[in-house]
Amino acid sequence: DSGVTQTPKHLITATGQRVTLRCSPRSGDLSVYWYQQSLDQGLQFLIQYYNGEERAKGNILERFSAQQFPDLHSELNLSSLELGDSALYFCASSVAPQLVTGELFFGEGSRLTVL
Amino acid sequence: QQQVKQSPQSLIVQKGGIPIINCAYENTAFDYFPWYQQFPGKGPALLIAIRPDVSEKKEGRFTISFNKSAKQFSLHIMDSQPGDSATYFCAALGGSQGNLIFGKGTKLSVKP
Repeated sequence: DSGVTQTPKHLITATGQRVTLRCSPRSGDLSVYWYQQSLDQGLQFLIQYYNGEERAKGNILERFSAQQFPDLHSELNLSSLELGDSALYFCASSVAPQLVTGELFFGEGSRLTVL
Repeated sequence: QQQVKQSPQSLIVQKGGIPIINCAYENTAFDYFPWYQQFPGKGPALLIAIRPDVSEKKEGRFTISFNKSAKQFSLHIMDSQPGDSATYFCAALGGSQGNLIFGKGTKLSVKP
């Protein structure tokens, strides 16, 4: 158990809809990362927050947004969903704003299916 | 633009075999190279990592070999077991934002 909690585990929705994925980092971790995992693209970095502030942005679509709240939990909002957004979405956390040893603690993921 | 290229995509070996997974990178600003292991239904977890000033690192049955001049590194699993069946991701840390960039993963199956 990594200590990172993600909800929901599974989500099925229709094209054009909007969903919110939630993540609680490990106790004491201030950084939260979001990754998208698909079969053909592997693990793609979306965005990072540190202590409530956006710190780094990766391949995140404009239809997607995220935030980190004062209690350090984070939410990833996906809107105007398309079939291609179906994927596993992982949240990961770390203590510091910048990784030194490359160790991220991942949750078990939220599997999104867009029909 | 894929910054870390991983091969093969899938690998099947018999118990006791030595699977080898290879990765290559282009950005010389990368300064740490971890490997992650992911079991079905779980998130990836750090397995072993290496700095570019070291040519080899061993932890138990897992060994990373690193070739800085060729910008390549590989994971070897000695005496592989069915319990090693998982997806393995190589990664590189560093670059302009200091992010962790993953390869596309290798699905390893170890047959009993």
